[in-house]
Amino acid sequence: GESVGLHLPTLSVQEGDNSIINCAYSNSASDYFIWYKQESGKGPQFIIDIRSNMDKRQGQRVTVLLNKTVKHLSLQIAATQPGDSAVYFCAEKTSGSRLTFGEGTQLTVNP
Amino acid sequence: DAGVIQSPRHEVTEMGQEVTLRCKPISGHDYLFWYRQTMMRGLELLIYFNNNVPIDDSGMPEDRFSAKMPNASFSTLKIQPSEPRDSAVYFCASSLGTFGYTFGSGTRLTVV
Repeated sequence: GESVGLHLPTLSVQEGDNSIINCAYSNSASDYFIWYKQESGKGPQFIIDIRSNMDKRQGQRVTVLLNKTVKHLSLQIAATQPGDSAVYFCAEKTSGSRLTFGEGTQLTVNP
Repeated sequence: DAGVIQSPRHEVTEMGQEVTLRCKPISGHDYLFWYRQTMMRGLELLIYFNNNVPIDDSGMPEDRFSAKMPNASFSTLKIQPSEPRDSAVYFCASSLGTFGYTFGSGTRLTVV
């Protein structure tokens, strides 16, 4: 039979709304986390990162929140625009320099 | 900076043939990573180098895969012989220290 691919979680928002994308990570020893944006046919693009000694970091229109107690990471995008439509991945630095990626979330912004 | 440069962008080859993917990391970066992305398994780390030395190759699927980094500005990922299940997008990434990884645009490999 035909292989079934990953079924990505999806988030659909209206242009101008705020978006929140969530990620549960696996390793309590992870000390560094990155959010990436990947558009169709392109490589993952760095958005924002956060080290484990912080619980919040802000960039331009983006905020990353880290809750180490429940091993949860979120990406907030303010005033979401159609150009924000993409797959968003969280990644955690586990052992050594190994960066492990989550499954990704498909964000669709409706004009 | 031109970013991480990968070549070719697309590669179509027949089963059994040798395939070589190439990567030029960002100048000055001391870490280089090879990832594979498929619909089934998402993004997987295959191998990474630090100062041209392979550090962790536990993600390399089998002996048909090999990677080299002869100098700080060039790395190759070779598959010999290639199989249809190797079809995927292969990404190279580099970083300075272990933070702020930057990815290339990838090589889409199709093995028929």
